[in-house]
Amino acid sequence: EADIYQTPRYLVIGTGKKITLECSQTMGHDKMYWYQQDPGMELHLIHYSYGVNSTEKGDLSSESTVSRIRTEHFPLTLESARPSHTSQYLCASSPFEGVNQPQHFGDGTRLSIL
Amino acid sequence: KNQVEQSPQSLIILEGKNCTLQCNYTVSPFSNLRWYKQDTGRGPVSLTIMTFSENTKSNGRYTATLDADTKQSSLHITASQLSDSASYICVVMNTGNQFYFGTGTSLTVIP
Repeated sequence: EADIYQTPRYLVIGTGKKITLECSQTMGHDKMYWYQQDPGMELHLIHYSYGVNSTEKGDLSSESTVSRIRTEHFPLTLESARPSHTSQYLCASSPFEGVNQPQHFGDGTRLSIL
Repeated sequence: KNQVEQSPQSLIILEGKNCTLQCNYTVSPFSNLRWYKQDTGRGPVSLTIMTFSENTKSNGRYTATLDADTKQSSLHITASQLSDSASYICVVMNTGNQFYFGTGTSLTVIP
């Protein structure tokens, strides 16, 4: 059962629109992550957070921003969507303590920019 | 360069048969190695996590092995079921809490 939720599951939208992808978890995890996944490719880290008011950019250059105002909520925003943003976006979380804790993933948002 | 390579890229097996998926990595310094299962249209789900000192770990019909000296891991699936059809992703974490993902092995189990 998923304790981490992403909405919407699918989004088709025109170029230039502002988009916010939602991610919420009910496990009280301090660490949260956003990944981009394209078919046949490895996951690429876009942003991560180790707690409230803490956000960092990942290793994939991105025009997105994130915020972490509440522990359970980690939204991703694209100010002006472009066709190159078409991809699957996965959110994940894990506890702060213990390096051997698994990441829990949401089911993703599949984004298509026309 | 820190890399994780998985083989084969895809695999088709008959229901009830066993199979083994491979993962080779060059990530250093090593902290742990993870195997995830990702069903189509879903997020990855953790199967096993192994540290340097563990050379085998099981989760039901899934058994992962780790050889930290040769930097190789395998995931063995016993008595495969149709529900095992998925992508299996190998992930290596370094001591700096950075994750390195493989591109996955796509497994199809046919009746």
